[in-house]
Amino acid sequence: ETGVTQSPTHLIKTRGQQVTLRCSSQSGHNTVSWYQQALGQGPQFIFQYYREEENGRGNFPPRFSGLQFPNYSSELNVNALELDDSALYLCASSLVTGRLAPFETQYFGPGTRLLVL
Amino acid sequence: RKEVEQDPGPFNVPEGATVAFNCTYSNSASQSFFWYRQDCRKEPKLLMSVYSSGNEDGRFTAQLNRASQYISLLIRDSKLSDSATYLCVVNPSGAGGGADGLTFGKGTHLIIQP
Repeated sequence: ETGVTQSPTHLIKTRGQQVTLRCSSQSGHNTVSWYQQALGQGPQFIFQYYREEENGRGNFPPRFSGLQFPNYSSELNVNALELDDSALYLCASSLVTGRLAPFETQYFGPGTRLLVL
Repeated sequence: RKEVEQDPGPFNVPEGATVAFNCTYSNSASQSFFWYRQDCRKEPKLLMSVYSSGNEDGRFTAQLNRASQYISLLIRDSKLSDSATYLCVVNPSGAGGGADGLTFGKGTHLIIQP
């Protein structure tokens, strides 16, 4: 087990609603990255949070937003849900020593499976 | 051109056989490379990092060819428990994995048959 936890495990929403997903990082880790994995695809990078600030973002619209808290846990918020947002949402934690520091291994949580109807 | 390309398979391989996967990546400035394993409806788990000098972990061997921009994974003496999807992963930035995150291929589906 990686020690990364996510909640909820499953969620069903309707188009237009808003959703908040949560992630607790592994003990000792200070960085959380979020990924979206659609069926049959590899995970796609949404964004990363380091020291409570966004530290990089993939090609996702602004209705995908996030937060990181002082204890390094994180939230992913998605507004105005669309059918194509149905996917497995994964968070990954890592220990980063600086914004330009060498890459550190990312460890994934079990994911939240979101279905938008 | 996709950033990380893999043959999706499925690869149907008898137990005990040797199987090899390749993947190619488009960003020549990519800094670090990995193979992750993903079981059905589970999260990706790090299998191994990939270095230019090649590295081996038990039955698994990974190689990186920077000149040709491809990464390989070799599994020897395959077990039924090796059945999974193998994701080729590239970190384009090398800096905390932040600016660009990890770039994943779609994965190669491996089925080990008894």
